[in-house]
Amino acid sequence: IAGITQAPTSQILAAGRRMTLRCTQDMRHNAMYWYRQDLGLGLRLIHYSNTAGTTGKGEVPDGYSVSRANTDDFPLTLASAVPSQTSVYFCASSEGLGADTQYFGPGTRLTVL
Amino acid sequence: GQNIDQPTEMTATEGAIVQINCTYQTSGFNGLFWYQQHAGEAPTFLSYNVLDGLEEKGRFSSFLSRSKGYSYLLLKELQMKDSASYLCAAGDSNYQLIWGAGTKLIIKP
Repeated sequence: IAGITQAPTSQILAAGRRMTLRCTQDMRHNAMYWYRQDLGLGLRLIHYSNTAGTTGKGEVPDGYSVSRANTDDFPLTLASAVPSQTSVYFCASSEGLGADTQYFGPGTRLTVL
Repeated sequence: GQNIDQPTEMTATEGAIVQINCTYQTSGFNGLFWYQQHAGEAPTFLSYNVLDGLEEKGRFSSFLSRSKGYSYLLLKELQMKDSASYLCAAGDSNYQLIWGAGTKLIIKP
């Protein structure tokens, strides 16, 4: 089934630990995105990638890093997790840049204690 | 700065019509999106407007006025399954989406 998968579904993490959230799409979309969603706030863009091999910073990039080694995968790494990174993380993809329809993965619920 | 405003919560009755408003302020403009998000799930695409006017898609319609920085989503013949959050998002000059906090729509029988 075509779409976006994310792993893990949820995770509880001790502060200071390193964590990688995985995202894979099989739609051959060029652009991919990582958002965080917090109660009362809109989706906030963390990092994005317009095509394999390139990445860019979004609105809230601090404390996060990404890589885009190929078209399908776009992992998000928290180098040293802090409680303020407790959130729901959504990966999304679109055929082209942000003005194209974005398709979302099911999300990862992350709790940092 | 860039900003999207939409009501936090609305309540409507099954079978009725509801209009969810959205005002936006962005540097540049590359279209207005509406997404639906059920609790605990991912957002899913509903509509896209880039020109002024009304776009109709079944029970859902979306309107855009670029001069006013205003859009609305109109839901007709409301069903219980329409209970969800509705997210408004505007594309800016960098082709990134600026998202509103969402409007939680509660449908009562």
